[in-house]
Amino acid sequence: DVKVTQSSRYLVKRTGEKVFLECVQDMDHENMFWYRQDPGLGLRLIYFSYDVKMKEKGDIPEGYSVSREKKERFSLILESASTNQTSMYLCASGRSEIYEQYFGPGTRLTVT
Amino acid sequence: KNEVEQSPQNLTAQEGEFITINCSYSVGISALHWLQQHPGGGIVSLFMLSSGKKKHGRLIATINIQEKHSSLHITASHPRDSAVYICAVFFGNEKLTFGTGTRLTIIP
Repeated sequence: DVKVTQSSRYLVKRTGEKVFLECVQDMDHENMFWYRQDPGLGLRLIYFSYDVKMKEKGDIPEGYSVSREKKERFSLILESASTNQTSMYLCASGRSEIYEQYFGPGTRLTVT
Repeated sequence: KNEVEQSPQNLTAQEGEFITINCSYSVGISALHWLQQHPGGGIVSLFMLSSGKKKHGRLIATINIQEKHSSLHITASHPRDSAVYICAVFFGNEKLTFGTGTRLTIIP
């Protein structure tokens, strides 16, 4: 079974803090994705990566950065957290050229 | 613009009823996912379709490529089916575009 894990299920941070969300997959997938999910807006793509050290902006990259130093790990970074980044963050991974994605359990981030 | 629309947004039904959730998309696709998310839970992929019909237990998913439409059916619905169901589409690349979801509540 494919397993995608995220470092925390719940996280509370203060405005201005630097926040790291980590995602690890164990199936040697080339592609990894970070999404945020908000009521009424659904899931929106923040960043994705097709390979180690490669990254591309999704639909809403402002206020976020990512890091992929190893194939199995994809980190989402909030350089200076703001209250409008309070959301559910979901990581996913998939194999290149295969139209399928596997999701992690999500991290519910609250910025106060 | 590549868009995915789901209906209804909310659906409440009695236990045992037959449920249908619809998904329409704007242009040709490579594949379509039906996803399930229980309250407070992660997302689970129920089906991946590029044509025809798939069945798993009480769940059935169909897709009509010409009409750009897919449906998810649940037979003999049960309270444990209560969840948000999300349609997601690959528009010819490896990025998913999501519908806003259908919140299903099954009353015992």
